[in-house]
Amino acid sequence: QITLKESGPTLVQPTQTLTLTCTFSGFSLTTTGVGVGWIRQPPGKALEWLTVIYWDDDKRYSPSLKSRLTITKDTSKNQVVLTVTNMEPVDTATYYCTHLHYDNRGYSYWGQGTLVTVSS
Amino acid sequence: DIQMTQSPSSLSASVGDTVTITCRASQSVSSLLNWYQQKPGTAPKLLIYAASSFQSGVPSRFRGSGSGTGFTLTISSLQPEDFATYYCQQSYTTPHTFGQGTKLEIK
Repeated sequence: QITLKESGPTLVQPTQTLTLTCTFSGFSLTTTGVGVGWIRQPPGKALEWLTVIYWDDDKRYSPSLKSRLTITKDTSKNQVVLTVTNMEPVDTATYYCTHLHYDNRGYSYWGQGTLVTVSS
Repeated sequence: DIQMTQSPSSLSASVGDTVTITCRASQSVSSLLNWYQQKPGTAPKLLIYAASSFQSGVPSRFRGSGSGTGFTLTISSLQPEDFATYYCQQSYTTPHTFGQGTKLEIK
């Protein structure tokens, strides 16, 4: 059974850096073709894809946010970490950690999501 | 970036109806098109991947079709639990962009 869970702060101040950790089980990020991604959703708005890291450490980022995002993995801990620098109120959203099925065949498992509010 | 456009943005239907949601890509995504269902306060759920393949446990009344730039999600014999928001997403190339969503409401 595949599960993912996000952890991190629920409130950050403008200009601060957000660090979220995804802890997963039921699969290995060393398995060929697999990835872990981050997707966010501002309140009442659509889903926005942010980034993905693949089993081979290939990392891809949203071009509009690339300068602010970093994704890393620790396969020994079954964790993926997302950092977002220079947080702004428009970054207020629920952030989801997701399992990318092999060969990019959909984000098949999602964490419950964590609402991050950016406010002073 | 590949832009994904869904239509309609909202849709009203009754239990037992059949509805179709359309998703169009700004360039070919081959068959790497996915459909998700999201209910309020919960994470999205993958319904269909690779345009027409069912995710495990998804009822057969959900059907996906299409390739290239045009795709559809058809839901037959609507059930009360199907009223939700539906998103398409391309995973052909990063960024794996989503459509803006289609809210399916009870008439």
